[in-house]
Amino acid sequence: QQQVKQSPQSLIVQKGGISIINCAYENTAFDYFPWYQQFPGKGPALLIAIRPDVSEKKEGRFTISFNKSAKQSSLHIMDSQPGDSATYFCAASRSGSARQLTFGSGTQLTVLP
Amino acid sequence: EAGVAQSPRYKIIEKRQSVAFWCNPISGHATLYWYQQILGQGPKLLIQFQNNGVVDDSQLPKDRFSAERLKGVDSTLKIQPAKLEDSAVYLCASSGGGGASSYNEQFFGPGTRLTVL
Repeated sequence: QQQVKQSPQSLIVQKGGISIINCAYENTAFDYFPWYQQFPGKGPALLIAIRPDVSEKKEGRFTISFNKSAKQSSLHIMDSQPGDSATYFCAASRSGSARQLTFGSGTQLTVLP
Repeated sequence: EAGVAQSPRYKIIEKRQSVAFWCNPISGHATLYWYQQILGQGPKLLIQFQNNGVVDDSQLPKDRFSAERLKGVDSTLKIQPAKLEDSAVYLCASSGGGGASSYNEQFFGPGTRLTVL
């Protein structure tokens, strides 16, 4: 059962454009929603995280929006740069599960110069 | 602060052979995770340790995979015998392990890329 569904699978954006990645969560018990960035040959690194009592969180050019009723979140990358080219994963965890992360399938972002 | 260390970075073996991966977590991190990341997919948890005890190994194929974390620090993951479908990147992560209700960040190592021929 795929509890975290991520789309699109791949995304190509021009430099300076906005990149948008979406995630849907099937488990209503999830209460922590991190997004990870992974470069080739590296492990995932935490980019930004949100809890369901917050509808939006911004860190620099990266913004997460969260819709609790729809069980969806989106990652927006403003003014996308070639250095942002990476694979992005949404994930989720719930209390009582030892904070194990369930990952989405990933979005490969390419920002063209 | 040093990150999570893993070795080897790459390994190529033939099916039915055995292989072992090593992980050294961030100093002081009580919780250690092993993930399997198949090409084009997100990481999937194999096993979670809290200090030297297993918290969850429900997704570990125990007929061929084993893991240990002696003394609550370093950990090894072993596959014996390997199958073609075990080709993947094996990621180790650690966190401060503040308990089931905390949001301790997981820090990932660079992974070991395993190719089974």
